[in-house]
Amino acid sequence: DAGVTQSPTHLIKTRGQHVTLRCSPISGHKSVSWYQQVLGQGPQFIFQYYEKEERGRGNFPDRFSARQFPNYSSELNVNALLLGDSALYLCASSLAGTSMDTGELFFGEGSRLTVL
Amino acid sequence: AQSVAQPEDQVNVAEGNPLTVKCTYSVSGNPYLFWYVQYPNRGLQFLLKYITGDNLVKGSYGFEAEFNKSQTSFHLKKPSALVSDSALYFCAVRDAAGGYNKLIFGAGTRLAVHP
Repeated sequence: DAGVTQSPTHLIKTRGQHVTLRCSPISGHKSVSWYQQVLGQGPQFIFQYYEKEERGRGNFPDRFSARQFPNYSSELNVNALLLGDSALYLCASSLAGTSMDTGELFFGEGSRLTVL
Repeated sequence: AQSVAQPEDQVNVAEGNPLTVKCTYSVSGNPYLFWYVQYPNRGLQFLLKYITGDNLVKGSYGFEAEFNKSQTSFHLKKPSALVSDSALYFCAVRDAAGGYNKLIFGAGTRLAVHP
């Protein structure tokens, strides 16, 4: 079975540009979460989506947005890129992502974004 | 607020020796705790979790973790380290505030296993 897939794996942008990152969850998983991992730090929660609805948002500016599609895949968009947005962006899927679940997440390989 | 702390930036161990990677937690309510491993330029791989029950949890690749409520710790252990265990290890706790799950991660501990 395929795991969580993310694209692109690497990309380079310049300040002020925007970027779209894509994620396909494990088959049968309806919840997708996005995390940002800056070099030398642990992953930080950005968003969680379930059944196309945003369930939760971390402490990130409005330049960050996301959406989930009917097939449960997801996109993360970042506008007006800053140097500090350079990071590994991780997508994770889970069955439902509600407080009734144990919280275990299955991560993709990530999209490494470099902003110059 | 839920949080975890990994007090060691790096742990060095010789191949064949036992290893311990430390994690302490601070939660309201019952903790749901996790360990993940990250190899260079890769995503996070799930190792094990503690939800309830036995304080010694067994996971993937021969790893285990010991939950200690009185010391609020969840240390990762392996009886005999392999060079291939060298990687970045993250402890995490579930935060279910707001009716949805998110994981709060520690800063990570780099494990270096020397031949």
